[in-house]
Amino acid sequence: AQKITQTQPGMFVQEKEAVTLDCTYDTSDPSYGLFWYKQPSSGEMIFLIYQGSYDQQNATEGRYSLNFQKARKSANLVISASQLGDSAMYFCAMKEGFKTIFGAGTRLFVKA
Amino acid sequence: GAGVSQSPSNKVTEKGKDVELRCDPISGHTALYWYRQSLGQGLEFLIYFQGNSAPDKSGLPSDRFSAERTGGSVSTLTIQRTQQEDSAVYLCASRITGTGIGINNSPLHFGNGTRLTVT
Repeated sequence: AQKITQTQPGMFVQEKEAVTLDCTYDTSDPSYGLFWYKQPSSGEMIFLIYQGSYDQQNATEGRYSLNFQKARKSANLVISASQLGDSAMYFCAMKEGFKTIFGAGTRLFVKA
Repeated sequence: GAGVSQSPSNKVTEKGKDVELRCDPISGHTALYWYRQSLGQGLEFLIYFQGNSAPDKSGLPSDRFSAERTGGSVSTLTIQRTQQEDSAVYLCASRITGTGIGINNSPLHFGNGTRLTVT
């Protein structure tokens, strides 16, 4: 069964606009962590933001914020004030115990 | 080194040959992971090491795939009798583990991957 679902294969956003990348997950473990990674065309994987299952507040890191809705099992990434350099693949990941599994990714295109 | 190092960066091999991919994690990172990423796809979990032991081998696609880790550091992923469907980027990642504050949310640190092409 798919544990991490990213339903948007591709997204377009105008430069300086905000964009939301969707992620839903499935787990029965009460303790888990959710991560977002960025993969530019160079191929490197860059950690962006983390949300723990017990965290009371939504995580924020600069222009990145995570819209965590625990009851709906969703952990959407919000990028504010998009920049051309934000064009990349974005992966949502969930850590259960020591295992981290990834969604299929969303390719974001930022238009000038 | 400062980051996760993988070698070779590119490997072209003929179908049926064996290949070895190497990963040198960040010093002090006890957990090491191997993932496979096919072109334009997500990351497929292969195997996880905690120290030298592999408590989770559930992602290895077939018995042609094996991995080991020695000295709690370098890991080698071996693919025997390679097939064309093995062509992909093989990514290694490490993370720190333990009981300190913030340890549970430590992210994976990835290498740049080995691009394997089986002809």
